[in-house]
Amino acid sequence: DTEVTQTPKHLVMGMTNKKSLKCEQHMGHRAMYWYKQKAKKPPELMFVYSYEKLSINESVPSRFSPECPNSSLLNLHLHALQPEDSALYLCASSQGQGGQVYGYTFGSGTRLTVV
Amino acid sequence: ILNVEQSPQSLHVQEGDSTNFTCSFPSSNFYALHWYRWETAKSPEALFVMTLNGDEKKKGRISATLNTKEGYSYLYIKGSQPEDSATYLCALSNTGGFKTIFGAGTRLFVKA
Repeated sequence: DTEVTQTPKHLVMGMTNKKSLKCEQHMGHRAMYWYKQKAKKPPELMFVYSYEKLSINESVPSRFSPECPNSSLLNLHLHALQPEDSALYLCASSQGQGGQVYGYTFGSGTRLTVV
Repeated sequence: ILNVEQSPQSLHVQEGDSTNFTCSFPSSNFYALHWYRWETAKSPEALFVMTLNGDEKKKGRISATLNTKEGYSYLYIKGSQPEDSATYLCALSNTGGFKTIFGAGTRLFVKA
C-alpha cells in the first residue's frame, strides 16, 4: 500500500458544528503532516507529527486540533470554524524526517466549506 | 521567514515544445528542495528531492537542477505532452527538515 487516504473528500459544515478529518497510511512512515491550501496559494504547513508526537504547530488557531492516535492515523478535529477556514486540507507522510529521500506522499485532500 | 517563489505562474505550450520553470528560495538554512507534480483532482506526486549543490536528477523527459549557493532550482520538461499538463510545485525544507514550505506552483497547459 503506497497511498495516503483522506476522508471525507468533501465536507460542508456550519460554524457551530464539530467535525473531524481523517488521514491514514500503511507505509510505515513515522512523520505525518497537515497542510491547508486556498485557491492559487501555496499549501501552508499547519502541523507536523513525528513518531506520534506533535513536533511543529505553525501557530494554528485552537479551533483546529490535531491528533495522532497511532503511527498510521492522523486526525484533524474542527470546531467553531469560520468561513475563511474554507480550503483544501492536505495530509502527507514521509519515511524520514522532512522527506529528504523520497519526498512526501500526499493524500488527495478534503475540500472543506464552512457556511 | 522562508519564502519560495515560482515562475512563471502559468505556461501554455504546444505538444512537442520543451519548457522550464524556476523555483527561487533563500539559500540560508537549506536542507532539501522538492519538486511535485499535481494533476487536478489527484494527489501531489513527488518527482525529485535534491539536497546537494549541483545536483541534477532525471525521470524520463523531466529533469531538475539545483543551485543552493544562489538559491534556485530549474525543472525542465523535454518534448511536452498533453499528459504533462499539471501544476508543478517546488518546496524547500529548512535545516532539520521538518518544516517544508511550498511555492504557489507553475500551472502548465500542453495543447495537442
